[in-house]
Amino acid sequence: QSVLTQPPSVSGAPGQRVTISCTGSSSNIGAGYDVHWYQHLPGTAPKLLIYGNNNRPSGVPDRFSGSKSGTSASLAITGLQAEDEADYYCQSYDSSLSAVFGTGTKVTVL
Amino acid sequence: QVQLQQSGPGLVKPSQTLSLTCAISGDSVSNNSAAWNWIRQSPSRGFQWLGKTFYRSKWYNDYEVSVKSRIGINPDISKNQFSLQLNSLTPEDTAVYYCARADYGTAGYRGAYDIWGRGTMVTVSS
Repeated sequence: QSVLTQPPSVSGAPGQRVTISCTGSSSNIGAGYDVHWYQHLPGTAPKLLIYGNNNRPSGVPDRFSGSKSGTSASLAITGLQAEDEADYYCQSYDSSLSAVFGTGTKVTVL
Repeated sequence: QVQLQQSGPGLVKPSQTLSLTCAISGDSVSNNSAAWNWIRQSPSRGFQWLGKTFYRSKWYNDYEVSVKSRIGINPDISKNQFSLQLNSLTPEDTAVYYCARADYGTAGYRGAYDIWGRGTMVTVSS
């Protein structure tokens, strides 16, 4: 039922850069709604990583960055570290102002 | 800092009603720049937003269309908490249920879910 499409998995060696795409449509991301990103370790509470497309909450390393263009958004992790191994989800809104989430991407540090 | 503490049963029978509570510390359920949400995650559906309650001079609710006929989210000002009631449960409602704050303040996070509860695994089974 997830409305936003993400790759199931991405991987990289420590120190490398990985990107995660989040593809929506003209009724959500393409309609101009903000995209937020969350990091989730199963069994724990999700953690807000990026808000408003490209803003980091206090305490989130600047290795994480977000961007948005058209009907898609991306999360980039530079200088990949072992502690970055987790699931990542994008989130936006649809025309009824219901929140919609991405399918999730598992990041593996090789 | 702001924390959300969830409570409620982990096992509910089909056709019955799920009741979960989210107690707020460090903020107020009446905060007029926040909204208090319930979100669930299941292997089949991923993350699904269920609804929210919020105060803007009066109380409002918004619900996800697919559950709108059987959901209620209510604030309890005296206890500074909010609750979820979901009735007519089926096994498809089995999921981890989270409460979460969305902050719309000028120094906030543009409606992102910045504070989450730890989640409650709810199984619907006889």
